[in-house]
Amino acid sequence: RKEVEQDPGPFNVPEGATVAFNCTYSNSASQSFFWYRQDCRKEPKLLMSVYSSGNEDGRFTAQLNRASQYISLLIRDSKLSDSATYLCVVIDNAGNMLTFGGGTRLMVKP
Amino acid sequence: GAGVSQSPSNKVTEKGKDVELRCDPISGHTALYWYRQSLGQGLEFLIYFQGNSAPDKSGLPSDRFSAERTGGSVSTLTIQRTQQEDSAVYLCASSLYAARSGNTIYFGEGSWLTVV
Repeated sequence: RKEVEQDPGPFNVPEGATVAFNCTYSNSASQSFFWYRQDCRKEPKLLMSVYSSGNEDGRFTAQLNRASQYISLLIRDSKLSDSATYLCVVIDNAGNMLTFGGGTRLMVKP
Repeated sequence: GAGVSQSPSNKVTEKGKDVELRCDPISGHTALYWYRQSLGQGLEFLIYFQGNSAPDKSGLPSDRFSAERTGGSVSTLTIQRTQQEDSAVYLCASSLYAARSGNTIYFGEGSWLTVV
């Protein structure tokens, strides 16, 4: 089993749709969680951190479920510009190891 | 500089040659990471530096790979006797301290390596 697992997709959705991605992690001692966005042939860029209480940034909402060891990302009112690969990142409790999921590809269609 | 800088941005090399990839982290960042990403694949952890020391080298795929960091700043990743399977984009990232919550990790644009 991979340490961090994501559905690779692709998720094909129309503009304006709501879409959700999940990411599961195997190390219960993991402390920090992030969602990164990666455009084709570009470097990953931080989208948002994921906090235990959940957090929202505009159309994006991230949630953490420690008991079930998964994090989620919800995108409301999808835009064409949201098309990208979304990477889940889990950091161990020492902060040394960033483990990336394989990414979920989102394609938003007109 | 303003961001993480990597060089070369693109490198084509012949099988069996050595290559050296360079990373300039954001000024003042103590933590530095190297990752590898093959086409269409996820990010594979290679090595992590805290200052000049590498507490975690577990990801280096073979003894052909080595990395160092000097002066708590620039890092070089060296691949000896390159093989075709080494073709990938090599991404460097840095963060102010260890990458706990609140310390954003910033990536460079990567060094695209093609071994022919």
